[in-house]
Amino acid sequence: EAGVAQSPRYKIIEKRQSVAFWCNPISGHATLYWYQQILGQGPKLLIQFQNNGVVDDSQLPKDRFSAERLKGVDSTLKIQPAKLEDSAVYLCASSLVEWTEQYFGPGTRLTVT
Amino acid sequence: GESVGLHLPTLSVQEGDNSIINCAYSNSASDYFIWYKQESGKGPQFIIDIRSNMDKRQGQRVTVLLNKTVKHLSLQIAATQPGDSAVYFCAENQAGTALIFGKGTTLSVSS
Repeated sequence: EAGVAQSPRYKIIEKRQSVAFWCNPISGHATLYWYQQILGQGPKLLIQFQNNGVVDDSQLPKDRFSAERLKGVDSTLKIQPAKLEDSAVYLCASSLVEWTEQYFGPGTRLTVT
Repeated sequence: GESVGLHLPTLSVQEGDNSIINCAYSNSASDYFIWYKQESGKGPQFIIDIRSNMDKRQGQRVTVLLNKTVKHLSLQIAATQPGDSAVYFCAENQAGTALIFGKGTTLSVSS
């Protein structure tokens, strides 16, 4: 079974630029999550999708972050414009059913200079 | 807000020893707990979970203990191996709410 795929693995941008991350969950997993993991901390949920609908985006900084999952499969997370404090690893995870065992992708390490 | 924390940021053990990683949680309404292992450059990997109606659950070389009275969770790793070196996170939630991760304990295993 293929795991959760993410790209790119690394990205370096300057502040005020925009960036997008892509995630392809495990086939058949209805629930998809985006997390932000700042160095030395545990992951923090940004947004949760159930199929192509948003379940929880209460922690998403909506003035600069956006995410979509148009066909209920893969998803993109965008930051525009980026700030220095957005430097982190962005993890995508998926689960068969909401809040059951989550499978994480390798993450995208974002550095904002 | 509510959060899950770990008692020690680092733990160093010798190969073959048993390791115990501790976690304190503050939300008494939490009913689901998970331990994750995260190796450098990788996403967290599920190790074992436990629901609040249980006190103990065993997996392969791992045991999770839940003490709801003092809101404490522990992960025991038997016969620790160098491949167990990683950062370990506990996470908790209550039904329908987001998973909340603690800060992590770095386990270093020397041979």
